Amino acid sequence: GESVGLHLPTLSVQEGDNSIINCAYSNSASDYFIWYKQESGKGPQFIIDIRSNMDKRQGQRVTVLLNKTVKHLSLQIAATQPGDSAVYFCAERNQAGTALIFGKGTTLSVSS
Amino acid sequence: DAGVTQSPTHLIKTRGQHVTLRCSPISGHKSVSWYQQVLGQGPQFIFQYYEKEERGRGNFPDRFSARQFPNYSSELNVNALLLGDSALYLCASSLEGLAGGGDTQYFGPGTRLTVL
Repeated sequence: GESVGLHLPTLSVQEGDNSIINCAYSNSASDYFIWYKQESGKGPQFIIDIRSNMDKRQGQRVTVLLNKTVKHLSLQIAATQPGDSAVYFCAERNQAGTALIFGKGTTLSVSS
Repeated sequence: DAGVTQSPTHLIKTRGQHVTLRCSPISGHKSVSWYQQVLGQGPQFIFQYYEKEERGRGNFPDRFSARQFPNYSSELNVNALLLGDSALYLCASSLEGLAGGGDTQYFGPGTRLTVL
């Protein structure tokens, strides 16, 4: 079946450190992935996406890496700030192309 | 530009009642999807609509239904509410839907439904 999971439920870092949030997916045919950030009481906020024909994509302070060999996705946040504290979800498009399949999320806590 | 808007923000209902949740997509977006997010978990797909037609349906009972209007706004209806329907209901909009090769979905703030 299709499922997306995250390796760690929580991650605590110091302000200024680099953060790495990991995600494993099970469907080797998945071709589109998205990272979302969700703050308490809000809807998920788009961070960055990547298609399966790419290994890496960079945004502002964020980088997504895709390793199709081991079906692994990671989100790197450079110079983490207190405002980055939130729950981070990875999601993959389902085979029918009609929905995103979400994992359970990683809670990132940034202390100053 | 306005993002995805949802109403109401919060809602309290009792078991057996029905509820209607509303969503307005980002201007220019033709696809709307609905997700249910139970506390502590990731969103789960309920429906996707594109150009007023249902494109996909998740593993939810027939008590859940939805529709999309000519202006691309959407309603999610839930009948015979159960305690387990308590959740954050999220609406996401995209230009044409995911089937086109990875069309980004942008989420609204959600409607918090509590069933007593």
